[in-house]
Amino acid sequence: RKEVEQDPGPFNVPEGATVAFNCTYSNSASQSFFWYRQDCRKEPKLLMSVYSSGNEDGRFTAQLNRASQYISLLIRDSKLSDSATYLCVVSLNTNAGKSTFGDGTTLTVKP
Amino acid sequence: GAVVSQHPSRVICKSGTSVKIECRSLDFQATTMFWYRQFPKKSLMLMATSNEGSKATYEQGVEKDKFLINHASLTLSTLTVTSAHPEDSSFYICSAREGGAFYEQYFGPGTRLTVT
Repeated sequence: RKEVEQDPGPFNVPEGATVAFNCTYSNSASQSFFWYRQDCRKEPKLLMSVYSSGNEDGRFTAQLNRASQYISLLIRDSKLSDSATYLCVVSLNTNAGKSTFGDGTTLTVKP
Repeated sequence: GAVVSQHPSRVICKSGTSVKIECRSLDFQATTMFWYRQFPKKSLMLMATSNEGSKATYEQGVEKDKFLINHASLTLSTLTVTSAHPEDSSFYICSAREGGAFYEQYFGPGTRLTVT
């Protein structure tokens, strides 16, 4: 089983749709969680950190469920510019702790 | 803030030569830097983790003598691909983190290496 697993995708949605991605992690000691987006042939860019209480940034909402070991990302009112690959990232709580990336979920928003 | 640069952005070299890639954190001090490679339409593959002033920790299957990593300062890490072969052609991306695992990683723009 992979340490971090994401919805296989791809997700093809119309503009204005609401779309949700889930990500599960296997190591219960994981402490830090992030969502990144990566555009084609570009580097990943931080979208948002995921906090225990959940957090929202405009149209994006991230949730963490420690009991079930998953995090989610909800995108409301999808824009064409949201088309990208979304990467779930999980880190252990150590100073030198590496982060484990999911394989990513590809989203295409269509007009 | 949190800008990471990478140089060169693109390099073409001949088999058997060595290539050095630089990763710099421009506006923060990076206690930890990571090196990844990514094949087309595939996920990031962590190659190694480097902490300033200490030896890099390589992931299983990554040859440390082939991929030399030096993290000489809190703002600079280098990856040298030695005796490059065509199968080393890939997109190499570095990232930098200011502190421990609670901190976000910020990525450089990547280096596309083509070995002919």
